[in-house]
Amino acid sequence: KQEVTQIPAALSVPEGENLVLNCSFTDSAIYNLQWFRQDPGKGLTSLLLIQSSQREQTSGRLNASLDKSSGRSTLYIAASQPGDSATYLCAVSGSARQLTFGSGTQLTVLP
Amino acid sequence: NAGVMQNPRHLVRRRGQEARLRCSPMKGHSHVYWYRQLPEEGLKFMVYLQKENIIDESGMPKERFSAEFPKEGPSILRIQQVVRGDSAAYFCASSPGDRGLTYEQYFGPGTRLTVT
Repeated sequence: KQEVTQIPAALSVPEGENLVLNCSFTDSAIYNLQWFRQDPGKGLTSLLLIQSSQREQTSGRLNASLDKSSGRSTLYIAASQPGDSATYLCAVSGSARQLTFGSGTQLTVLP
Repeated sequence: NAGVMQNPRHLVRRRGQEARLRCSPMKGHSHVYWYRQLPEEGLKFMVYLQKENIIDESGMPKERFSAEFPKEGPSILRIQQVVRGDSAAYFCASSPGDRGLTYEQYFGPGTRLTVT
């Protein structure tokens, strides 16, 4: 059974800092990995998707990496802004297509 | 190009009533997934459907919960005889199916169910 862990559970940084969020998964037989953002009381916004054959994906100030063999992914956020404050979720999918989510990292960027 | 639509956004039901949650996938998407987010817990998979077929319902509670995705119209998640423990946010996601090589899932805004 796939399990996804995200560390840290919460993170508070001053504006402008670069930061890294971590995600680990127990079963390396994944099809892809998605990073999402969730604002309080809102839905999920897809940030980046990395297919199992890829090592990283970039979008603007975000960069996600994937090391499938070790069961790890990181989300790097450059030059953080208060508007980046949200909960960041990591999710993996296998051959069954369903996503298995981590519990998230709650990020607060202080102005 | 509208995204995944869910309605209602908020639903209040008394214990014992039925709740019907609707999800319209993105245009061109033929696969629908339902997830539940209980208070202070992570998102959990419930069911995966294609048009007129349930593909995987391994995350659905055995009783009171059912889902369908008819040939025409939205996908419906139905909860009969609701209890307080059903209070949660229910999210629907869709993907393009086999034509979409990445199987990326796109999420709706969710339906927040409160059982009083």
